Amino acid sequence: SQQGEEDPQALSIQEGENATMNCSYKTSINNLQWYRQNSGRGLVHLILIRSNEREKHSGRLRVTLDTSKKSSSLLITASRAADTASYFCATAPNTGFQKLVFGTGTRLLVSP
Amino acid sequence: DGGITQSPKYLFRKEGQNVTLSCEQNLNHDAMYWYRQDPGQGLRLIYYSQIVNDFQKGDIAEGYSVSREKKESFPLTVTSAQKNPTAFYLCASSTTGGSSQPQHFGDGTRLSIL
Repeated sequence: SQQGEEDPQALSIQEGENATMNCSYKTSINNLQWYRQNSGRGLVHLILIRSNEREKHSGRLRVTLDTSKKSSSLLITASRAADTASYFCATAPNTGFQKLVFGTGTRLLVSP
Repeated sequence: DGGITQSPKYLFRKEGQNVTLSCEQNLNHDAMYWYRQDPGQGLRLIYYSQIVNDFQKGDIAEGYSVSREKKESFPLTVTSAQKNPTAFYLCASSTTGGSSQPQHFGDGTRLSIL
């Protein structure tokens, strides 16, 4: 079953603008991860935020986590055409093997 | 460079045929995973292995089989029992099992039916 749901499903912006995508989930988590997938390629890990963290930065990426609302957001600042890709959140439930559960993704298009 | 290599990039299956997808990693990771991705959807876990000679079913294991005889290799066989095999298959690995570590992915194999 898919726990993470990204919003919006698709986002189209101009180079230089910021892109924000959101992820909501249903059960308690150990951590939440964001991945990027270029067309026809594998996923690339971007950032991992643990359940006791509220915000994390990596270069032009900023991730927030609100466990009370069961939601996370990924902000890409000063977008570039090379950021065009699909972005997935993956949640790690607190119970069992803690396998990652991937959402359906946000398709980001950054136009020059 | 360390990484995960999946082969072939494209694969075609005839009715009633079993096909095997290769996944090799040189990252010295203990855990390996197979996912299926359908258009416009997220990844669904087929099988995973936390250690050599051990593997477990994921969410959609029916019609698939795996082996883990070597740490570096985790091949996936799509059997004739899998009636809808057309999809993009992704192999991943992580340093340890579970989800406390990020996963590293190969570039996938696209399987189609002839």
